[in-house]
Amino acid sequence: DQQVKQNSPSLSVQEGRISILNCDYTNSMFDYFLWYKKYPAEGPTFLISISSIKDKNEDGRFTVFLNKSAKHLSLHIVPSQPGDSAVYFCAASPASGNTPLVFGKGTRLSVIA
Amino acid sequence: DAGVIQSPRHEVTEMGQEVTLRCKPISGHNSLFWYRQTMMRGLELLIYFNNNVPIDDSGMPEDRFSAKMPNASFSTLKIQPSEPRDSAVYFCASSAGTGAYNEQFFGPGTRLTVL
Repeated sequence: DQQVKQNSPSLSVQEGRISILNCDYTNSMFDYFLWYKKYPAEGPTFLISISSIKDKNEDGRFTVFLNKSAKHLSLHIVPSQPGDSAVYFCAASPASGNTPLVFGKGTRLSVIA
Repeated sequence: DAGVIQSPRHEVTEMGQEVTLRCKPISGHNSLFWYRQTMMRGLELLIYFNNNVPIDDSGMPEDRFSAKMPNASFSTLKIQPSEPRDSAVYFCASSAGTGAYNEQFFGPGTRLTVL
């Protein structure tokens, strides 16, 4: 039973356009949500996060939106760059501090020049 | 800081052999997590430690899997005996547990192939 779902295994976007990656979750106990980015042969690296008390968090070209009532979050990348091509994982946690993350299966983003 | 260090980066072994994966967390971090990535199941938690103590090992698939953290700077994940279905990428991650966002730092992973 997947608690965090990324229903699009892949996404292709032209350079300069907006990339929108989506994530749905089922566990209403999740309080923190994170996006990780993964290049081949490397471990995932933290990208951006959001607490459930917010509905938006922005960091440069990356913005995460949270819709708690719909149990949905999305990552927007504007403008998309070829270096953004990677696998993006959505993750959730029921609490702050040292608790494990529950990951989605990832979405492979390809930014085409 | 060198980040989370994992060894070996690649391991190829035959079914039935013992496999030991190693992890050195970031200095000062007090939590350590072992994850496994497969095509079918994505990234899933196997076990995690807080202050060297195992907190939750419910993700460990079978008794063939065991993990230890003898001190704050070292952890091992052992599979004995290994089976072909154990083939996956195994990641170790650590976190400091401070702040609200629970950011975990991942190592580069160990790609395990069991023939």
